[in-house]
Amino acid sequence: QKEVEQNSGPLSVPEGAIASLNCTYSDRGSQSFFWYRQYSGKSPELIMSIYSNGDKEDGRFTAQLNKASQYVSLLIRDSQPSDSATYLCAVIPWGSGTYKYIFGTGTRLKVLA
Amino acid sequence: ETGVTQTPRHLVMGMTNKKSLKCEQHLGHNAMYWYKQSAKKPLELMFVYNFKEQTENNSVPSRFSPECPNSSHLFLHLHTLQPEDSALYLCASSPSLGTTEAFFGQGTRLTVV
Repeated sequence: QKEVEQNSGPLSVPEGAIASLNCTYSDRGSQSFFWYRQYSGKSPELIMSIYSNGDKEDGRFTAQLNKASQYVSLLIRDSQPSDSATYLCAVIPWGSGTYKYIFGTGTRLKVLA
Repeated sequence: ETGVTQTPRHLVMGMTNKKSLKCEQHLGHNAMYWYKQSAKKPLELMFVYNFKEQTENNSVPSRFSPECPNSSHLFLHLHTLQPEDSALYLCASSPSLGTTEAFFGQGTRLTVV
């Protein structure tokens, strides 16, 4: 089982809609979770971090964490064509005893104008 | 500008060449990381340094040799690479090991011919 799993997509949504991106992880002891956005040919850019169960909102972005079910999601409200990118989920698997960021393969989002 | 600067941005090298990638962070962080990103694969952690001491070598071939002279600078020395080593090499830093967010440099696009 992969440590961090994401659907590779592409996920296509119309402009103005809500995009929902999901991520599951295998290490139950994980405590730190991050969403990064990566445009083609560019480096990952941090969007959100979340450490506690529940929702965390920042502008049009909402991260949701459910540790019992071992998933973290990212909602993008009022999606814009400029949101079209690959979204990477990253987890720090504290249970491994090392402190490294483990990334999923990313979900490619396409926002259609 | 994320505060993490990588040079060069692009590099083409022959299999017998020796070259170095440089990373510098201006964020006052204590942990630095090298990641490799190949097409269709998740970001692969290569090396981790904390207070300029190497804490992780993720089974990286010896043709990749890291160097961390201080907490602000990280190098990746390359020699006798293979074409399959062609990838985007990303440097990242975080305030401390695996706690809060990591920030990435722009990356070096490496092509081995």
